[in-house]
Amino acid sequence: DTGVSQDPRHKITKRGQNVTFRCDPISEHNRLYWYRQTLGQGPEFLTYFQNEAQLEKSRLLSDRFSAERPKGSFSTLEIQRTEQGDSAMYLCASSLDSGGAYEQFFGPGTRLTVL
Amino acid sequence: AQSVTQLGSHVSVSEGALVLLRCNYSSSVPPYLFWYVQYPNQGLQLLLKYTSAATLVKGINGFEAEFKKSETSFHLTKPSAHMSDAAEYFCAVSAALRNQFYFGTGTSLTVIP
Repeated sequence: DTGVSQDPRHKITKRGQNVTFRCDPISEHNRLYWYRQTLGQGPEFLTYFQNEAQLEKSRLLSDRFSAERPKGSFSTLEIQRTEQGDSAMYLCASSLDSGGAYEQFFGPGTRLTVL
Repeated sequence: AQSVTQLGSHVSVSEGALVLLRCNYSSSVPPYLFWYVQYPNQGLQLLLKYTSAATLVKGINGFEAEFKKSETSFHLTKPSAHMSDAAEYFCAVSAALRNQFYFGTGTSLTVIP
């Protein structure tokens, strides 16, 4: 495994449905982040984990958004009752907290389209 | 709080010409600064990073950036543009003691043959 992977790459859903995305970080990385990127904008931070602990979640866009990293490895991001405004690219990144600069490695993203 | 501003959402240069993409940051603590590149339908790839060591940072693909504290800037340059440099470029800032990245809105680089 040489990079961050995300699944699915594309998701089309109808308004009101729930969706779940998965992120597999680089295997030795202990930190994992979720971002949202809308068209013409830079990535917007949502939440992050150190191992299985969710250290910051105040940036999650609403209580319809939740994330888990149950065993400190892969993570899931769930959006309940999707709305058309949730259409975006959802990016996952990981890093190794080694005391130095925290370079984040990004996955290819999951593009969500809500009809 | 941290933020970045990227001046110019679109930049066009001729192949072989100098590339200059501008980034100004705001940070209440000494910042870590990053430039990422994003090709269509791909994730972000790190070009270079500033971590409070040398102010002139060299990255991949011939890019470099200079940290100027007095100007709160971290502009990205490349002496000679290649067609393969056409992409979206993002500047990001992170506080020294936290990992949360704040990204700019991006600059789309077009290289004209």
